[in-house]
This record gives sequence, structure tokens and C-alpha cells, in this order.
Amino acid sequence: QVHLQESGPGLVKSSETLSLTCAVSGFSIGRGSYWGWIRQPPGKGLEWIGSIYHSGDAYYNPSLESRTTISVDASKGQFSLGMNSVTAADTAIYYCALVASPGIAPAADFWGQGILVTVS
Amino acid sequence: IQMTQSPSSLSASLGDRVIITCQASQDIFKYLSWYQHKEGTAPRLLIYDASKLGAGVPSRFSGSGSGTDFTFSIDYLQPEDLATYYCQQYDDLPLSFGGGTKVEIK
Repeated sequence: QVHLQESGPGLVKSSETLSLTCAVSGFSIGRGSYWGWIRQPPGKGLEWIGSIYHSGDAYYNPSLESRTTISVDASKGQFSLGMNSVTAADTAIYYCALVASPGIAPAADFWGQGILVTVS
Repeated sequence: IQMTQSPSSLSASLGDRVIITCQASQDIFKYLSWYQHKEGTAPRLLIYDASKLGAGVPSRFSGSGSGTDFTFSIDYLQPEDLATYYCQQYDDLPLSFGGGTKVEIK
């Protein structure tokens, strides 16, 4: 059974760095899929933050690119999100998931349960 | 690519047919998916490639369209269909979602 689990601090101070990790079990990160981060601010819709391939090639939402880093450690079966200089606008539920890439639908519907990160 | 979804909310009776539309700001061919998002849970992929049903998704859900105009339908609305529905394009980066349609039961 495939399981994705986000972990990290639920509370981050304004101007500091948000760091989250997604642990993937039951499915190899190296199986040629894109893994990504999506967030949902309170009362708002879904926003794609960025994606990473198992090789380490990463792609970001231009609106967040200047302060976002996504990395992968395929040997550990995990990928991570870093976002610096956070503000209250970054308060959101953060999801990790298997995501689409240009012209290619997600290979499967794999999502973490989501983690609420509050910026104080 | 901007995705314009409508309506932003709707209220329908059990058994009704519900239709949601999504318009892309440019040609995205068939590269559109529809997600169901219930409060407190992760989004669920219902439709991909505009019209293909996701694994285990009931056949009362369907999608159609290509290019810039897409439609999502729920036939015979069920109580468990209470959720917000999003379209997402994956023709090009950045991936982008529509604003969402909140479906309520009358």
C-alpha cells in the first residue's frame, strides 16, 4: 500500500524558513514520476508550489520560485520543501503528492494527508 | 495558463445532474484533470486527460472537452458528493488550478 506522509513544524515564525519533508513508502520515488507540493491557504483554492523528478530536476511556481527549494533523496524515499522569508500569506495546508508533468497525467492518485503550517 | 472555473458554488438536490465548466486561457489540448476535495482530506483525482475516469471512480462522474473549454458532470448527485471540485491543467508549467466549485446539497 502506498503511503505519503508530510512532516515538519506546524508553526513557523514570520521571516523564517518553512521546512517540510514527504516520506514515500510502498512506491519507489525513482520510478520515473514527478513529485510535488501543493498548498491550500485557509478559505482559498489549491496552488501548485513546485515539482521534482527523481533525478533532482525541479520546477517551481514563478510566484514562489525566488524563495522555494525542492529536493529529493531517492535512497531514503523522500523529498523536501524549503520556503524562506515566510509571511502570514504562507499559512496553509501543505500537501505532497505524485503530480502531473507537461502532457502526462499523474501515474496514480497518491497524496499525503496534508500538514497545516501556520506562520505567526 | 489561467483556468476559469464556473460556477464558484452551486446547490443541487440529491439525484440531480451537476455541471461545472472550466475554461483555459490558451489551448491545453486534452491535458486537464478534475479533482474532488472534501474538507479535512486530500484531493482525489476523478478525471484525467479531460475524459478518462480515475481508478475506482464511480461512473456517475464524467468529463469532456478539449482545447480551451471543458465540462465536468456528476450524474445523480449523491450525499457523499458534497465537496469542492477543481480543474487543473498540465499542458505546461506552471501547473495551474481553477478557482474551485463548491457543491452543496439542497
